Amino acid sequence: DGGITQSPKYLFRKEGQNVTLSCEQNLNHDAMYWYRQDPGQGLRLIYYSQIVNDFQKGDIAEGYSVSREKKESFPLTVTSAQKNPTAFYLCASSSQGSPGNTIYFGEGSWLTVV
Amino acid sequence: SQQGEEDPQALSIQEGENATMNCSYKTSINNLQWYRQNSGRGLVHLILIRSNEREKHSGRLRVTLDTSKKSSSLLITASRAADTASYFCATDNTGGFKTIFGAGTRLFVKA
Repeated sequence: DGGITQSPKYLFRKEGQNVTLSCEQNLNHDAMYWYRQDPGQGLRLIYYSQIVNDFQKGDIAEGYSVSREKKESFPLTVTSAQKNPTAFYLCASSSQGSPGNTIYFGEGSWLTVV
Repeated sequence: SQQGEEDPQALSIQEGENATMNCSYKTSINNLQWYRQNSGRGLVHLILIRSNEREKHSGRLRVTLDTSKKSSSLLITASRAADTASYFCATDNTGGFKTIFGAGTRLFVKA
């Protein structure tokens, strides 16, 4: 089945650690996104990529990094510079840039700092 | 940055009743979309309405758009317990790339 796979579903991070969240899509979509969602809140855009080997910062990129070496993959690294990383992270994709195009979401990853 | 704001923040109704959620936004848009999120899951696209459309239907869903008031509404008719979820509006401003999501309305349908 076509879709977006995020892993792991649950992740615990110690203070000072970097962690990487995986996102893979087999929808052949050009555009991919990472959003952060805090409890009871909306989605905030971290990074987005319109094409392979290119990505742009979203509204809350500080403390995060991404890569887009392959069309189907868009991993997100939460670095130790992100002071409050505990949140629900959602990866998404769309066939082209999002305006007017449906965005498809993965099932999300919960990150907790311990 | 531009953002859709949903109203109410939370809504509790009985099964069989209609549920209406509203979204207001700040700048001109090309499209407005509604998404649904079950607790702890990803978002699922429900419906898209373009700026030149005023109303759109999909099953038990009816979406209206009033660009003069910069607002949209989502009506779910004959609600079911399975409709319990958070509902988000998302807007694409003219000339922009990003889709901006509101904070959502949490709907609880009591059986």
